[in-house]
Amino acid sequence: DVKVTQSSRYLVKRTGEKVFLECVQDMDHENMFWYRQDPGLGLRLIYFSYDVKMKEKGDIPEGYSVSREKKERFSLILESASTNQTSMYLCASSSLRGGLGEQYFGPGTRLTVT
Amino acid sequence: GEDVEQSLFLSVREGDSSVINCTYTDSSSTYLYWYKQEPGAGLQLLTYIFSNMDMKQDQRLTVLLNKKDKHLSLRIADTQTGDSAIYFCAERNNFNKFYFGSGTKLNVKP
Repeated sequence: DVKVTQSSRYLVKRTGEKVFLECVQDMDHENMFWYRQDPGLGLRLIYFSYDVKMKEKGDIPEGYSVSREKKERFSLILESASTNQTSMYLCASSSLRGGLGEQYFGPGTRLTVT
Repeated sequence: GEDVEQSLFLSVREGDSSVINCTYTDSSSTYLYWYKQEPGAGLQLLTYIFSNMDMKQDQRLTVLLNKKDKHLSLRIADTQTGDSAIYFCAERNNFNKFYFGSGTKLNVKP
């Protein structure tokens, strides 16, 4: 079974802090994604990566950056956290090598910025 | 980006059928998916349909696709309290871009 893990389930940070959210997948997937989920807005794509050291902006990249130094790990960085970044953050991975190409999701990190 | 729209809430009684609807705008969709999110968890793939299919049945789940109207639906027969969750439809297009709907929260009353 594909497993996508996220470093924390709950996180509380102060305004202005630098925040790192880590995501690891164990299925050698080439694609990895970061979303935020807010009530009534569904999932909004922040950044995605198709390969190591590659990154592309999603729909709402402002205030975020990412890092993919190894294939299995995709990190989301909030350079200076703000209260409007309080949200649920979901990581996902996928592969186009056979199968349906569907995305597999981690359990999510609920981030509160005070 | 492309639009994928769903109603936000649906409430049904246990044992009834639930129908969750979704509309999308991308005519180059290749696959359409339904995901289920239980409280406090990530999304899990529930079922899918290829864009050249009209219907797919999987036990209590029936997916209907009207490609002309860009309308997708998920029918859950004999809905149980354990089916209470948020259901997301999603499409993947020719460029491997995914678009998710806002999610429909299904509440099943005993």
